[in-house]
Amino acid sequence: DAKTTQPNSMESNEEEPVHLPCNHSTISGTDYIHWYRQLPSQGPEYVIHGLTSNVNNRMASLAIAEDRKSSTLILHRATLRDAAVYYCILRESGGTSYGKLTFGQGTILTVHP
Amino acid sequence: NAGVMQNPRHLVRRRGQEARLRCSPMKGHSHVYWYRQLPEEGLKFMVYLQKENIIDESGMPKERFSAEFPKEGPSILRIQQVVRGDSAAYFCASSPRQGDYGYTFGSGTRLTVV
Repeated sequence: DAKTTQPNSMESNEEEPVHLPCNHSTISGTDYIHWYRQLPSQGPEYVIHGLTSNVNNRMASLAIAEDRKSSTLILHRATLRDAAVYYCILRESGGTSYGKLTFGQGTILTVHP
Repeated sequence: NAGVMQNPRHLVRRRGQEARLRCSPMKGHSHVYWYRQLPEEGLKFMVYLQKENIIDESGMPKERFSAEFPKEGPSILRIQQVVRGDSAAYFCASSPRQGDYGYTFGSGTRLTVV
């Protein structure tokens, strides 16, 4: 299984940008980079995903390094509702493992008022 | 457009009983995935199903656990003869088909075995 490395925890202040890093040095050429977050007592929530180019959506931006060995999830203005565990996942793109997301420990984001 | 629906939200079973967890995917989604989250642990993949087919069950325990996704109706995760170690949150996710999609997760079923 492809592996990712994330900091255990990060802190931010409300209304400030947050940059959540992820290393994935063993990524293969066709693996997609997915980000999910999980609020307490809830199921994971899809945030964003990308392959090579940077991506933007209403929730966040995803910046992918040119060599694809790392990526950064950017929350432009953190709110208290963004406090969650953020997971960076490589989605395997081939064979029967296609559907499997391998969750790591993620980054616990704390947002201070 | 309803999201992924899981029921029951909470389920209490005595040791040795059976637990049946149901998952209705989003409308138009034909791929379903089950994950388990043990207390204070991360999410672990269990099984990936399409309508009437099991595609990948590499994360399923070899005994007592089974899953199905019939042509009609929800996907069912069945745990026979539950033990205390089965106590966990079970999440279901769905996607429309294979491809470049994010998954939509349900709110989960929290199983407690007493």
